[in-house]
Amino acid sequence: EPEVTQTPSHQVTQMGQEVILRCVPISNHLYFYWYRQILGQKVEFLVSFYNNEISEKSEIFDDQFSVERPDGSNFTLKIRSTKLEDSAMYFCASSARTTGYNSPLHFGNGTRLTVT
Amino acid sequence: GQQVMQIPQYQHVQEGEDFTTYCNSSTTLSNIQWYKQRPGGHPVFLIQLVKSGEVKKQKRLTFQFGEAKKNSSLHITATQTTDVGTYFCAGLPTGGYQKVTFGTGTKLQVIP
Repeated sequence: EPEVTQTPSHQVTQMGQEVILRCVPISNHLYFYWYRQILGQKVEFLVSFYNNEISEKSEIFDDQFSVERPDGSNFTLKIRSTKLEDSAMYFCASSARTTGYNSPLHFGNGTRLTVT
Repeated sequence: GQQVMQIPQYQHVQEGEDFTTYCNSSTTLSNIQWYKQRPGGHPVFLIQLVKSGEVKKQKRLTFQFGEAKKNSSLHITATQTTDVGTYFCAGLPTGGYQKVTFGTGTKLQVIP
């Protein structure tokens, strides 16, 4: 079964540094998402992306965050200047259609970001 | 903004007992999805409910969507150790497109 793949599985960075988290969504999916989960807490929506632009974003997704689909397969999340509170598991997800049409989210295994 | 709460936060059950988690949204939902996250894993889709009052079953799991489309429940009959994990509801608000908001989750522990 097709999978969403994320790299790296664990990223350690110093506060103030830039990080790029990478994802390869399922190939025929059209909608892409980033969620994050602070340890033991709920899964929080960051951003959704369709047709090469952001379609929705949350209040967490401020100017420090950006997303890009640089080619036909990768989907990236960039954090420009990391803060301690950015430490979390970041999940990429994709869906075949908009979730309003019975289209589930398929999640990757996540990237654990640790900011020191 | 939209809030989705689940109760209980934690539940410990003896293997063979039933389990229910309840999900409540602050706003009316277009649809609701349920996900299971095993310890150390990622959320895995279980089911989606769309219609008011809808009930769906998957083996020992029964999912229900409230008449007002603001609440939902997941009931597991005769729990097994393989049911261990955190169960999240995830709602798409009416008029929303892709911003699926996850509930606070219910962590289920099954004691053999």
